[in-house]
Amino acid sequence: EVQLLESGGGLVQPGGSLRLSCAASGFTFSSYTMSWVRQAPGKGLEWVATFSGNILNSYYADSVKGRFSISRDNSKNTLYLQVSSLRPEDTAVYFCAKGPVADAFDHWGQGTLVTVSS
Amino acid sequence: QSVLTQPPSVSAAPGQEVTISCSGSSSNIGNKYVAWYQQLPGTAPKLLIYENNKRPSGIPDRFSGSESGTSATLGITGLQTGDEAFYYCGTWDRSLSVGVFGGGTKLTVL
Repeated sequence: EVQLLESGGGLVQPGGSLRLSCAASGFTFSSYTMSWVRQAPGKGLEWVATFSGNILNSYYADSVKGRFSISRDNSKNTLYLQVSSLRPEDTAVYFCAKGPVADAFDHWGQGTLVTVSS
Repeated sequence: QSVLTQPPSVSAAPGQEVTISCSGSSSNIGNKYVAWYQQLPGTAPKLLIYENNKRPSGIPDRFSGSESGTSATLGITGLQTGDEAFYYCGTWDRSLSVGVFGGGTKLTVL
């Protein structure tokens, strides 16, 4: 059974940083592209970043480019998202998602809440 | 503002059928696969439909997907109160390497 477990969220001041983690199990982590998707309170889904499983490329939404960094440690089956220069509008639940696979995110974690406030 | 356009809400009675539309453009839906996600209150999204019309194992055949040109549609038959949720369409733009979602549709089962 695929499981994705996020951690690392919390309350941070504007301009601050956090590192989010996603521990994966139940599949061959190194073989799959992995992504982060966020959801601001009461809002819809927003794709944030993706790290490919094979060619080791990373991709970012324009809204986070230059401030967020996605990485992975295949030896630990863990995906990371370093979030820096945080703004109040970055307040959201951050979901780890497996994929895209066939243009879809086929499994999701339960999310970790990041709150940016002074 | 979302790249893909969905109606904010739809409603129908238990046992009835409902459709949710997702409108895009030739640069996204037009030549990409569309997926649909269900988000029950307080939970993470769950994949319902992928590659326009395929269901992952465990998803009942009450849920169906279709695509035509630059639009996609999610259909749900035999509505149950447990189907009340937000539904999102989405795709992965392989040429730009970006993910896109619709704004979400709230389904109310009256």
